[in-house]
Amino acid sequence: DQQVKQNSPSLSVQEGRISILNCDYTNSMFDYFLWYKKYPAEGPTFLISISSIKDKNEDGRFTVFLNKSAKHLSLHIVPSQPGDSAVYFCAASEGTDKLIFGTGTRLQVFP
Amino acid sequence: SQTIHQWPATLVQPVGSPLSLECTVEGTSNPNLYWYRQAAGRGLQLLFYSVGIGQISSEVPQNLSASRPQDRQFILSSKKLLLSDSGFYLCAWGGYTFGSGTRLTVV
Repeated sequence: DQQVKQNSPSLSVQEGRISILNCDYTNSMFDYFLWYKKYPAEGPTFLISISSIKDKNEDGRFTVFLNKSAKHLSLHIVPSQPGDSAVYFCAASEGTDKLIFGTGTRLQVFP
Repeated sequence: SQTIHQWPATLVQPVGSPLSLECTVEGTSNPNLYWYRQAAGRGLQLLFYSVGIGQISSEVPQNLSASRPQDRQFILSSKKLLLSDSGFYLCAWGGYTFGSGTRLTVV
């Protein structure tokens, strides 16, 4: 049973435009959500997180939105840059640092 | 700052051979440690986690085992590898810091 889902396996965006990556979850007890970026043959690197008491968190070009009623979160990258091309994972936790990851979305930013 | 050392970076092993992957953490004490696996075309699956020496919790039934002999050491093992054990294995501390991973190919 996949508790965290990323239904789009890939996304292609032109440089300078907005990238929107989506994530859905089923466990209403999740209270902390994270986004990671991963290059091939490397470990994931933490990008941004959001607590369930908030609905938006912003860090530079990255903004995460949380819609608890819909059990949905999204990562917005504005403006997108070629260096953003990677696989993005969302993850969720329930009061601990044990994370449940989604299946990932491969983002390609083209010139 | 906290760092995680994971080795080897790549490994090719025959079916039926044993496995030992090691992960060590620096810069923190009594960390919660995790082993994840990314199989081809799939997300990161939590395999084991440990909240302290000798304390191991398994998330999914499988051909692998884990041990925590020291506070900052976490080991992933198998007595006999299967083809399905191939994947990219990641050690993590807490929810933020990941090792560089081990690419395991079972042939």
